[in-house]
Amino acid sequence: DVKVTQSSRYLVKRTGEKVFLECVQDMDHENMFWYRQDPGLGLRLIYFSYDVKMKEKGDIPEGYSVSREKKERFSLILESASTNQTSMYLCASSLEGAMVKNIQYFGAGTRLSVL
Amino acid sequence: QKEVEQNSGPLSVPEGAIASLNCTYSDRGSQSFFWYRQYSGKSPELIMFIYSNGDKEDGRFTAQLNKASQYVSLLIRDSQPSDSATYLCAVIYSSASKIIFGSGTRLSIRP
Repeated sequence: DVKVTQSSRYLVKRTGEKVFLECVQDMDHENMFWYRQDPGLGLRLIYFSYDVKMKEKGDIPEGYSVSREKKERFSLILESASTNQTSMYLCASSLEGAMVKNIQYFGAGTRLSVL
Repeated sequence: QKEVEQNSGPLSVPEGAIASLNCTYSDRGSQSFFWYRQYSGKSPELIMFIYSNGDKEDGRFTAQLNKASQYVSLLIRDSQPSDSATYLCAVIYSSASKIIFGSGTRLSIRP
């Protein structure tokens, strides 16, 4: 089974802190994604990566950055956390191949609260 | 106009009945369509995907795609209480560069 592991289930941070969310997948997937999920807004793509050291902006990249130094690990960084970044963050991975057949496997999620 | 639209629900269906979930999308050139199920407090998991017009069946689940009308549906036959969850529709657009999720429909199966 594909396993996507997010380092924390719950995090509480203060405004202005730098926050790191870690995600590791064990199935040698090329593609990795970071989403946030808010009530009524569904899943929104923050960043994604097709390869090591490669990143692409999603729909809402402002206030976030990412790092992918190894194939299995994709980190989301909040440079200076703000209260409007309080949300559920979901990491996902998928096999390489035509995007049209991109089946995504999700981690359990990290619920971040910024106070 | 939202790119992928779903009725937020809740949709209440009696146990044993057919639950019908609908999703419309705005990009006529969209190529791939997915249904994910998300239990409360859990992450989404794939139920079905469909690429071609028509129906695709998998057990109690049937996905229906109509590209001309730009909608995709999920039918759940013999609904069970364990089917109570939020169902997310996802579409990969013609540019094939991104996947768009709807905001989900909350389904409740009443015993």
